[in-house]
Amino acid sequence: AQTVTQSQPEMSVQEAETVTLSCTYDTSENNYYLFWYKQPPSRQMILVIRQEAYKQQNATENRFSVNFQKAAKSFSLKISDSQLGDTAMYFCAFTKETSGSRLTFGEGTQLTVNP
Amino acid sequence: AAGVIQSPRHLIKEKRETATLKCYPIPRHDTVYWYQQGPGQDPQFLISFYEKMQSDKGSIPDRFSAQQFSDYHSELNMSSLELGDSALYFCASSFGGLNQPQHFGDGTRLSIL
Repeated sequence: AQTVTQSQPEMSVQEAETVTLSCTYDTSENNYYLFWYKQPPSRQMILVIRQEAYKQQNATENRFSVNFQKAAKSFSLKISDSQLGDTAMYFCAFTKETSGSRLTFGEGTQLTVNP
Repeated sequence: AAGVIQSPRHLIKEKRETATLKCYPIPRHDTVYWYQQGPGQDPQFLISFYEKMQSDKGSIPDRFSAQQFSDYHSELNMSSLELGDSALYFCASSFGGLNQPQHFGDGTRLSIL
């Protein structure tokens, strides 16, 4: 079974600064996918970024980037130029490379961006 | 762009009643997933369907059942409701053949009185 761990229950950052959220996972799979989802107070689940395990290059989406360390089973999210709208719960998630496979989520990190 | 549609958005039931939650995936998506999120918790996987066949099963109680229909929409049927079933229920969809990311609906908030 796969497990995902987020060791930072809460974090805060000043507007326009950079923050990094940590995630580690455990799996015996060789091919898999990792994601960061954002859940603002509205409770919607919004996909932030995706990483394929077979790709060595770290994924980037505008102000969001990841540091994927496959050997260490680490998948951190960096948010640059933080904005007030980034305030949300952030979930790290894992899925196997099989159609219809579940997402396994970490416990989440509540990020607050302060003005 | 079209998103995943869930209905109803809110549902209030009493203990031992039944409930049916509906999910309409993004057009052309062939895979549907159901998750349950309790207060202050991460989403827990219940069940998924790929091309109308069950593809994965999680900690779904025997009181719950689900299916995916020919038009790819899905329904989650919940019977003998308990207080502990109060939660936010998400449906997500993806184009499963290429293991594309799951896109979530806005959820159904189920409250059991």
